[in-house]
Amino acid sequence: AQTVTQSQPEMSVQEAETVTLSCTYDTSESDYYLFWYKQPPSRQMILVIRQEAYKQQNATENRFSVNFQKAAKSFSLKISDSQLGDAAMYFCAYRRGGTSYGKLTFGQGTILTVHP
Amino acid sequence: ETGVTQSPTHLIKTRGQQVTLRCSSQSGHNTVSWYQQALGQGPQFIFQYYREEENGRGNFPPRFSGLQFPNYSSELNVNALELDDSALYLCASSGRARTDTQYFGPGTRLTVL
Repeated sequence: AQTVTQSQPEMSVQEAETVTLSCTYDTSESDYYLFWYKQPPSRQMILVIRQEAYKQQNATENRFSVNFQKAAKSFSLKISDSQLGDAAMYFCAYRRGGTSYGKLTFGQGTILTVHP
Repeated sequence: ETGVTQSPTHLIKTRGQQVTLRCSSQSGHNTVSWYQQALGQGPQFIFQYYREEENGRGNFPPRFSGLQFPNYSSELNVNALELDDSALYLCASSGRARTDTQYFGPGTRLTVL
């Protein structure tokens, strides 16, 4: 069974600075997708960024980028120029590839606080 | 484009009762997944529906059941509610293509007393 581990229950960052959230996963599959979702106090789970395992290039979305280390099964999220609106719970998630559907397996989450 | 919607927003039930939660998928999406999120935890997969049939199930007992309708909206039914069923229930919709991502609704907060 696939597992996703986020070892940082809480992180904090000063506004305009950079923070990195860690995620490791365990799978025997070679085809899979990885995601970072953000859940603010409003509860809505919002997709931040996704990475296809077969792509060597790290995904980027504006101020958000990932460091995908397939051999180490590591998938960290870097937030640059942090903003107050980035404060939320962040979840790393895994989905098996091969089919377009299937369950997402989530980590335990990291609470990110942004200080002004 | 309409996003994923869920109703109701909040719900309070007593132990032993039954509850139905509703989800409307995002326009163009034909697959709906349901997740249970306990307070302070990551979501846990309950099941997924595609073309009105259950298409995968997580480690949840049979008293958790669902439906998907021809318009791709979905219901989650929970019978014989237990205190541990108190959680945020999230619905996510997606298309069927390999590259499709699941997009989530705002959730229903269920409290069982």
